[in-house]
Amino acid sequence: KQEVTQIPAALSVPEGENLVLNCSFTDSAIYNLQWFRQDPGKGLTSLLLIQSSQREQTSGRLNASLDKSSGRSTLYIAASQPGDSATYLCAVPIQGAQKLVFGQGTRLTINP
Amino acid sequence: DAGVIQSPRHEVTEMGQEVTLRCKPISGHNSLFWYRQTMMRGLELLIYFNNNVPIDDSGMPEDRFSAKMPNASFSTLKIQPSEPRDSAVYFCASSLEGGQGGYEQYFGPGTRLTVT
Repeated sequence: KQEVTQIPAALSVPEGENLVLNCSFTDSAIYNLQWFRQDPGKGLTSLLLIQSSQREQTSGRLNASLDKSSGRSTLYIAASQPGDSATYLCAVPIQGAQKLVFGQGTRLTINP
Repeated sequence: DAGVIQSPRHEVTEMGQEVTLRCKPISGHNSLFWYRQTMMRGLELLIYFNNNVPIDDSGMPEDRFSAKMPNASFSTLKIQPSEPRDSAVYFCASSLEGGQGGYEQYFGPGTRLTVT
């Protein structure tokens, strides 16, 4: 059974810092891994999707890496801003490529 | 593109009443997903459809829950009768299987259901 874990559950840092969010999964036979952002009371916004054949993906100040063999992914946020405050979730598909299993998320607070 | 559209955004109902949640996926997407999010259990997949056909409904809690997708642009999730423990945020998501997006899922804004 695939299990996804995100540590820490909450993180608070001052504005301008670079930070790393962690995601681990128990079954390395994944098709891809997706990082989402969720603002309070809102839906999920897809940030990055890394295919199993890729090592990393970049979008603006965000960089996601994937190490399938160790069952880990990281989301690196450069030069953090208060607007980055949100809950970040990672998810991996099981049963082929469609059924997503989510981590519990990391609640990020960027302090001005 | 309007994204995934869900209605209503908020629903408050009394125990025992029927509740119907609606979803319009992104045009051109061929897979649709219904998720439920609670503080205790996080995000859970309830059911997903591919080309309007239910593929996996193993996450549907019990017979009180049913979902339909009569065409490529519309799906419903129905709870009958509703119970207080059904209170949660229900999300609909869609994706394009086999496309360039690598099965990336796009979520709607959710329906916050409160059953009293």
